[in-house]
Amino acid sequence: KAGVTQTPRYLIKTRGQQVTLSCSPISGHRSVSWYQQTPGQGLQFLFEYFSETQRNKGNFPGRFSGRQFSNSRSEMNVSTLELGDSALYLCASQTGGTSGGARNEQFFGPGTRLTVL
Amino acid sequence: KNEVEQSPQNLTAQEGEFITINCSYSVGISALHWLQQHPGGGIVSLFMLSSGKKKHGRLIATINIQEKHSSLHITASHPRDSAVYICAVPSGGSNYKLTFGKGTLLTVNP
Repeated sequence: KAGVTQTPRYLIKTRGQQVTLSCSPISGHRSVSWYQQTPGQGLQFLFEYFSETQRNKGNFPGRFSGRQFSNSRSEMNVSTLELGDSALYLCASQTGGTSGGARNEQFFGPGTRLTVL
Repeated sequence: KNEVEQSPQNLTAQEGEFITINCSYSVGISALHWLQQHPGGGIVSLFMLSSGKKKHGRLIATINIQEKHSSLHITASHPRDSAVYICAVPSGGSNYKLTFGKGTLLTVNP
């Protein structure tokens, strides 16, 4: 089974621009979560999508948005980039069931490293 | 919100030593995750556990739900175990909304 893939792996943007990152989950997984990792704040939850709907949301400004397609692939978008948005953006996929157990295990992608100049 | 505390923040060991990393959280949970991140690398999920103990190779994870505490042990540590180890717990009422500890940087010297 192929793992979680993220594209692009590296991005350099300038302040004020916008960026779109893509995540393809493991086949059969219907839930995709997005995280931001910075040296100062560590790992923080951005949002989670399940069956094309945002099911959970973290404490990030509205400049951060996402969507999920019918094939479970997900994109996240950051508009009006700020220097502080420079980070490693990780997505993780899981089967997405509402009960507990192994279906909650998350499988992480390699991440997209975004640098904002 | 679930608060997660990890200790120690940094740990240096000699090859072969037994390692313990601790994680405490503030709110009851359904399961806790242990993750590994090598320098410059992606994140790998090591364990997800909701009770008792799990073992995978030289890695052992335990959790005490009543005490709200989990430990990750590495037996016979090796330089390739050098990485950041992160624990994560569900927060905000959802199993998919994780709150992370700040991580423990482990360095194993040969």
